[in-house]
Amino acid sequence: AQSVTQLGSHVSVSEGALVLLRCNYSSSVPPYLFWYVQYPNQGLQLLLKYTTGATLVKGINGFEAEFKKSETSFHLTKPSAHMSDAAEYFCAVSSSGAGNQFYFGTGTSLTVIP
Amino acid sequence: DAGITQSPRHKVTETGTPVTLRCHQTENHRYMYWYRQDPGHGLRLIHYSYGVKDTDKGEVSDGYSVSRSKTEDFLLTLESATSSQTSVYFCATTLEAGNTIYFGEGSWLTVV
Repeated sequence: AQSVTQLGSHVSVSEGALVLLRCNYSSSVPPYLFWYVQYPNQGLQLLLKYTTGATLVKGINGFEAEFKKSETSFHLTKPSAHMSDAAEYFCAVSSSGAGNQFYFGTGTSLTVIP
Repeated sequence: DAGITQSPRHKVTETGTPVTLRCHQTENHRYMYWYRQDPGHGLRLIHYSYGVKDTDKGEVSDGYSVSRSKTEDFLLTLESATSSQTSVYFCATTLEAGNTIYFGEGSWLTVV
């Protein structure tokens, strides 16, 4: 079974400050891990993903995430928040198995304070 | 972008009526999914498909059925709509395991 836990349903940061959104996963097989962003009234867009190889993954808009197997974590970071980063962020896990199911966390709403 | 089109985008329906949402993709992706999104619950998988006529249940499948008669189309049917099915429904597709999952723009359904 697979699951995702996102700590903190709401995170507020000041413009220019570090963004840290936490994601922990549970998976009985090697996971594929994803971060998605959702802007109001839109679908989800991929920020970055980890499948194999380098554990530090860089994505769009200056975001990056590090896969830590020992901690079963895949936290999302950005060194300096921008107003345009305000959105809902979702962590997801999947694996190669029957149906290739994706499991999503409950989301973290990021507010950027000017 | 996997060229995913959802229809209708917005619908208001009455309790007890059947409703069908359509997802159409143009990229020949093997896997297709229907999720619902509700505040505090994130995205929850309703049903998914791993090929034509191959479908299976997700975590919140009660009250929903699906069909996939062609690679490009995945239909979600609410057999008898209830107010608890008021939600935003997203279709998603992916080509194979480990690949990015792409989302449609969503269908807003209100059951009154």
